[in-house]
Amino acid sequence: DVQMTQSPSNLAASPGESVSINCKASKSISKYLAWYQQKPGKANKLLIYSGSTLQSGTPSRFSGSGSGTDFTLTIRNLEPEDFGLYYCQQHNEYPPTFGAGTKLELK
Amino acid sequence: QVQLKESGPGLVQPSQTLSLTCTVAGFSLTSYNVHWVRQPPGKGLEWMGVIWNTGGTRYNSALKSRLSISKDTSKSQVFLKMNSLQTEDTATYYCARDRLNYGYTGVMDAWGQGASVTVSS
Repeated sequence: DVQMTQSPSNLAASPGESVSINCKASKSISKYLAWYQQKPGKANKLLIYSGSTLQSGTPSRFSGSGSGTDFTLTIRNLEPEDFGLYYCQQHNEYPPTFGAGTKLELK
Repeated sequence: QVQLKESGPGLVQPSQTLSLTCTVAGFSLTSYNVHWVRQPPGKGLEWMGVIWNTGGTRYNSALKSRLSISKDTSKSQVFLKMNSLQTEDTATYYCARDRLNYGYTGVMDAWGQGASVTVSS
């Protein structure tokens, strides 16, 4: 199985700031990486897939980049609703595998 | 509006079988694949398996011997059954729709809110 390593595990920032979350695959997954947001009491939300394609409804302050083994999720001009957990997931091969998550907290 | 909702027992005894139902609305199970994903308390997400729009299935090899996914298209329901439960199977269980109709991407564009399952005597 492809192992996904996310960093950092925790991240503290203030509204208006920009942050980046990294995800590294144990082998090349081409461009096939998705990012999800998880918040208590809400359904998990798909933000980005295929590395950089924004899911319908994802604000443009979110962007994804990378290919091969190294990927980054960048959130610019953080809004209060952006705080929560973020997971990367490779969708290049079975089984789909997820990173351990990054908790984005309010500073 | 696309919706998925998991239901099932909150408590299962060790060695028993877990049965969960995912009821969907806003799309047809003849068009979309549905995944099951679980998350132990305080831990990350683990993909369990998928049932394709055609009715075929594929499972995580780590769970394959214990897991079965099926569906009733007429009732818009997907079923998960997993036997020989142990305490480490305590988790929130999610069903999620694959993004692409009549195809597979492994990208989950709509999720249920999850069903919490505790394995304990």
